[in-house]
Amino acid sequence: DAKTTQPPSMDCAEGRAANLPCNHSTISGNEYVYWYRQIHSQGPQYIIHGLKNNETNEMASLIITEDRKSSTLILPHATLRDTAVYYCIVKGQGAQKLVFGQGTRLTINP
Amino acid sequence: EPEVTQTPSHQVTQMGQEVILRCVPISNHLYFYWYRQILGQKVEFLVSFYNNEISEKSEIFDDQFSVERPDGSNFTLKIRSTKLEDSAMYFCASKGLAGSKETQYFGPGTRLLVL
Repeated sequence: DAKTTQPPSMDCAEGRAANLPCNHSTISGNEYVYWYRQIHSQGPQYIIHGLKNNETNEMASLIITEDRKSSTLILPHATLRDTAVYYCIVKGQGAQKLVFGQGTRLTINP
Repeated sequence: EPEVTQTPSHQVTQMGQEVILRCVPISNHLYFYWYRQILGQKVEFLVSFYNNEISEKSEIFDDQFSVERPDGSNFTLKIRSTKLEDSAMYFCASKGLAGSKETQYFGPGTRLLVL
């Protein structure tokens, strides 16, 4: 699976949009981009995933660049409860495991 | 909304003892996983299980570890003889469909402390 690079930490003001970047320059054609988050030591929580089109659900939006080498997770109106470590993971369609990196520690400030 | 559940939430054991961590995956899911997270470190894959057999395992998943689906609902991880370095959060996950049409959903974890 392709490796991902994320900034170690970010801050965002409550109520503003949080934009979390991820680089995955070695992604191959059949690999999806997944985003999970982990609040404290809770189990990772699925947020969203996509292949090449932008995706949106009730939690977030995922913007994938046309060359697929990077993506951005957008939390449109961040709340204090969105403070967590956010993981960008690239996984092939046939692969079983999720490979977690260090992620981005997002802090939402009041 | 269906959830993955895990018991116990905390387990303290003595080195050398056997522990069994239990998981109830989401009811119509077919793929099951165990991951662990040592304090302050990354979440690490241990094993995946499908159709009553292991489909993939990591280097961490040595002969001390085993998994079982003893009935239609539970999925267990057994550590035969615990070591101090087995102290970690253990997360179970499950997935419904093949490929990437479905994603893995994680349970809340079991915190294992080996003394």
